[in-house]
Amino acid sequence: SQKIEQNSEALNIQEGKTATLTCNYTNYSPAYLQWYRQDPGRGPVFLLLIRENEKEKRKERLKVTFDTTLKQSLFHITASQPADSATYLCARISGGYNKLIFGAGTRLAVHP
Amino acid sequence: GAGVSQSPSNKVTEKGKDVELRCDPISGHTALYWYRQSLGQGLEFLIYFQGNSAPDKSGLPSDRFSAERTGGSVSTLTIQRTQQEDSAVYLCASSSGQRTGELFFGEGSRLTVL
Repeated sequence: SQKIEQNSEALNIQEGKTATLTCNYTNYSPAYLQWYRQDPGRGPVFLLLIRENEKEKRKERLKVTFDTTLKQSLFHITASQPADSATYLCARISGGYNKLIFGAGTRLAVHP
Repeated sequence: GAGVSQSPSNKVTEKGKDVELRCDPISGHTALYWYRQSLGQGLEFLIYFQGNSAPDKSGLPSDRFSAERTGGSVSTLTIQRTQQEDSAVYLCASSSGQRTGELFFGEGSRLTVL
């Protein structure tokens, strides 16, 4: 079965630095990957989608890459701010038409 | 409302009781998902409805869990004979049903089984 793994340890960085989060998957490459942000006590919020044939996608200070050779997606936040502190989740389709499964998420803490 | 609405937001129940959790998806969204999130954990897929197709129930942890979606809109997740390990936040999400459609999540129903 398909699995999706994220570093469960929290990532602590200084304000202004670039945060890089990793998402690894198993078995075949999905047609796309999605990234979500989750704040404590809230539901996840969609951030970005990257397709299998796209190597990189950008949205404001966010950048996502998709490497089908490494079976990995990297999520970057440039010029990080304390307001970026949250848990970031990676998701892929697994079986089914649009059945999405999620990684455990990586908690990011940006310190002033 | 404009977003996904879940109720109740909090539910405390005694072990062995049945509970029902409700989800009102965004109007027009054909896909509806239920996930479970235990404290400090990721999202565990439970069940997925897509239009009139048979639901994908592959994530339901036991036969005590069931879900239905009436009229292609509102969904109810039912947990029978609740156990303490059922304590978690139950999240509902809906999407347009398109191949790459993003999921819109509700704020979740926090279930505590004493």
